[in-house]
Amino acid sequence: DVKVTQSSRYLVKRTGEKVFLECVQDMDHENMFWYRQDPGLGLRLIYFSYDVKMKEKGDIPEGYSVSREKKERFSLILESASTNQTSMYLCASSPAPIPRLWNQPQHFGDGTRLSIL
Amino acid sequence: AQRVTQPEKLLSVFKGAPVELKCNYSYSGSPELFWYVQYSRQRLQLLLRHISRESIKGFTADLNKGETSFHLKKPFAQEEDSAMYYCALSLPFGNEKLTFGTGTRLTIIP
Repeated sequence: DVKVTQSSRYLVKRTGEKVFLECVQDMDHENMFWYRQDPGLGLRLIYFSYDVKMKEKGDIPEGYSVSREKKERFSLILESASTNQTSMYLCASSPAPIPRLWNQPQHFGDGTRLSIL
Repeated sequence: AQRVTQPEKLLSVFKGAPVELKCNYSYSGSPELFWYVQYSRQRLQLLLRHISRESIKGFTADLNKGETSFHLKKPFAQEEDSAMYYCALSLPFGNEKLTFGTGTRLTIIP
């Protein structure tokens, strides 16, 4: 069974701090994703990566950056945390799509509930 | 850009009654559609996808390209179906990004 592990379930930080959220997957998946989940807004994609050292912006990348130095690990960085970044953050991974065919489903971690005070 | 709309934020259904969670999308081509579910205190997980055409936990969903819909249905609701349901879309042929709807919280009334 695919395991996507997020390093913290709950995190409390202060405005202006640099915050790191870590995600590790154990299934050798090529793709990894970071979302934030907010009531009434659903899941919104922040960044994703389809290979080591590769990254692409999602729909709401402002205020965030990412790092993928190893295939199994994908880090989300809040450069200078602000109160509007208080949210639930979900990491996901998926294998590469079958060439010229269908995409593969994404597998999610438990989430990190981040509060910025 | 593609968009997924789930018009109901909350839906309450009596146990044993039929369930239909609505999902509409906007995309001119042939997207891939998914339903994901999040039970209380559990992680978000795939429920079903349109290409598999299978029934999972009694749920089915049919892609209607004419109406651009992918509604989730179950003939007889069970209490364990209470959860948050998200419809999601990805573009075909290797574009792995998912666009999610805003979700519907389904509550089954005993």
